[in-house]
Amino acid sequence: GNSVTQMEGPVTLSEEAFLTINCTYTATGYPSLFWYVQYPGEGLQLLLKATKADDKGSNKGFEATYRKETTSFHLEKGSVQVSDSAVYFCALSRDGGSQGNLIFGKGTKLSVKP
Amino acid sequence: DAGITQSPRHKVTETGTPVTLRCHQTENHRYMYWYRQDPGHGLRLIHYSYGVKDTDKGEVSDGYSVSRSKTEDFLLTLESATSSQTSVYFCAISVSGRSDTQYFGPGTRLTVL
Repeated sequence: GNSVTQMEGPVTLSEEAFLTINCTYTATGYPSLFWYVQYPGEGLQLLLKATKADDKGSNKGFEATYRKETTSFHLEKGSVQVSDSAVYFCALSRDGGSQGNLIFGKGTKLSVKP
Repeated sequence: DAGITQSPRHKVTETGTPVTLRCHQTENHRYMYWYRQDPGHGLRLIHYSYGVKDTDKGEVSDGYSVSRSKTEDFLLTLESATSSQTSVYFCAISVSGRSDTQYFGPGTRLTVL
């Protein structure tokens, strides 16, 4: 079945460093791919999404490209800020007859130090 | 803001007691979901609904039941709470299901002693 694997954290970076959080997936069909972010004490918020191969999702300086050949959807940001400290979840949509269910990775905690 | 509220936001209960968590949305979206979040597991789907009185099980449904008698409310019930159900519970909605984006509520932190 469909599954998502993302790099384990925690990840600690200095402000203005380059960020990569790896995400790979196993899926049948053509799922949509998502990155969600969870700030402390809050629910998950959509950060970006891509719905087909080679699509690039982007938001708030974050980017991720849907790579079907490598089954990957890595999250990147060129220069992180302290305010980016959060837990990041990669997710994909189930295929087939499911009603919009998402499968989530285990999350990667990012801490950015000033 | 997808207009999702959850109640209560925090609850402490004892093993064996029934517990009901409520998810309320203001925008009449068809699809609603209940997840639990645990360290090392990410989010796991408990149950979901694709319309009034239309519900189905997710991957961790044992010990949970749901009801949806109105479009705007989706209730999650723990019939007899156990310590393994200590978790943070999130409700989510989506507009059209399938591959659509899901929007999450603020969560309910449940502790079963």
